[in-house]
This record gives sequence, C-alpha cells and structure tokens, in this order.
Amino acid sequence: DVVMTQSPLSLPVTLGQPASISCRSSQSLVHRDGNTYLNWFQQRPGQSPRRLIYKVSNRDSGVPDRFSGSGSGTDFTLEISRVEAEDVGVYYCMQGTQWPWTFGQGTNLEIK
Amino acid sequence: EVQLVESGGGLVQPGGSLRLSCAASGLTFSDYWMTWGRQAPGKGLEWVANIKHDGTEKYYVDSVKGRFTISRDNAKNSLFLQMNSLGAGDTAVYYCTIGRGYNWGQGTLVTVSS
Repeated sequence: DVVMTQSPLSLPVTLGQPASISCRSSQSLVHRDGNTYLNWFQQRPGQSPRRLIYKVSNRDSGVPDRFSGSGSGTDFTLEISRVEAEDVGVYYCMQGTQWPWTFGQGTNLEIK
Repeated sequence: EVQLVESGGGLVQPGGSLRLSCAASGLTFSDYWMTWGRQAPGKGLEWVANIKHDGTEKYYVDSVKGRFTISRDNAKNSLFLQMNSLGAGDTAVYYCTIGRGYNWGQGTLVTVSS
C-alpha cells in the first residue's frame, strides 16, 4: 500500500498568519492516465470530512482561495495564506492513484 | 445540491451483520464511482470499498475482503454495504462518498460490542 506521511501532525497558528502542511507519498502518485490523484480534506470538529483540493492543486467549489495545493511526484503541500478561526480542524492528504487509496495521519490545526 | 444520507448503523454483537445504505440525490448517480470510507472513534480516515458506475468492478481494502460486500441500485440512487462477521476493529462512523471523496454524507455509526 502507498504510505502517506504528513508533517507536522500538530500545527498551532496565529490568526491571520500563513500555514503549511507537507505530505509525502512512499511512491509516485502519477497515475497511468497521466493524472496525479492527490487530494486534501478538511475535517472540522464534529463534522464530516470535506474535500478542499483535488488532483494536487484544484480547489473544490466553495473553497476559499486562501487554500492552495501544490507539488508533484511524491511531495505535496497544502498552504493557507491567512488562517481564520473557521479553519480549525484536522487536515488529511489522500492518494487516489493506487487502490487501496490511503490517507495521511492528519494534521491538527489549532489557533494559538 | 448533492446530498448523501447514510443509514443502517447501530450496535451489533461480534460476529454479527449489518447492512448500510446511502441515498443519493442531486446528481446523476449512475455516472459516478461510489465509495465507502470509515473513521474509528478518535482516529483517522480509511477507505473501505468502492464500486464502478455500473457495478461491474468492486474493490475492497484487505481488512474487509470476504466479509463486506458493496453494491448499488442505480434505479433507486442507492449505495449499500453488507457487513458480515463484524469485529471490534470495524467499530467506526461509516461514510458514503462520491468517487475519490467528492461530497461526504453525515455518516452512520457502527458499534461492534457484546
């Protein structure tokens, strides 16, 4: 199985400041169809997960533009340009290139 | 608006069975792969099984192979997960999602305990 490793696992951030989460996969996430199926999810406390980013850098509908995704191959990053209170929660990267699809351990973003 | 509503969870004894359902609306259900994921209490996310648009391809995570069966009824916009031989490790909130995690339901809690 493809192992997804996130860092940091805990991320205290001051309101209005940027935040960055790294995600590394144990093998390349380039699919045979040419796409790279790396998604990012947000899970607010007590809520279901919500997809923020798909195929590395595409924001889902309704996702604020302060969220951005980048990377290639095995190294990926989720960046929040200015953290707001509503961004508190756990963030997961996920690979959908090889079944079983797998998630990272999760990064807990909290406000300092 | 796309909506996914799971049902069928509950308390079951070890070795027992449950059938989960997911009712989909706001999309052309038969156009999409559908996936079940789960989250054990206080833990991370795990994919369980997925199924092709027409039901002809199905994939399972190793830990549920031979015990769980995913199916769908495109005429009723519904997704199912038949879970047999349940163990404590299957205790989790089970979520229905579209494809690789586009849209999630509210989840249904399955508790395996004597």
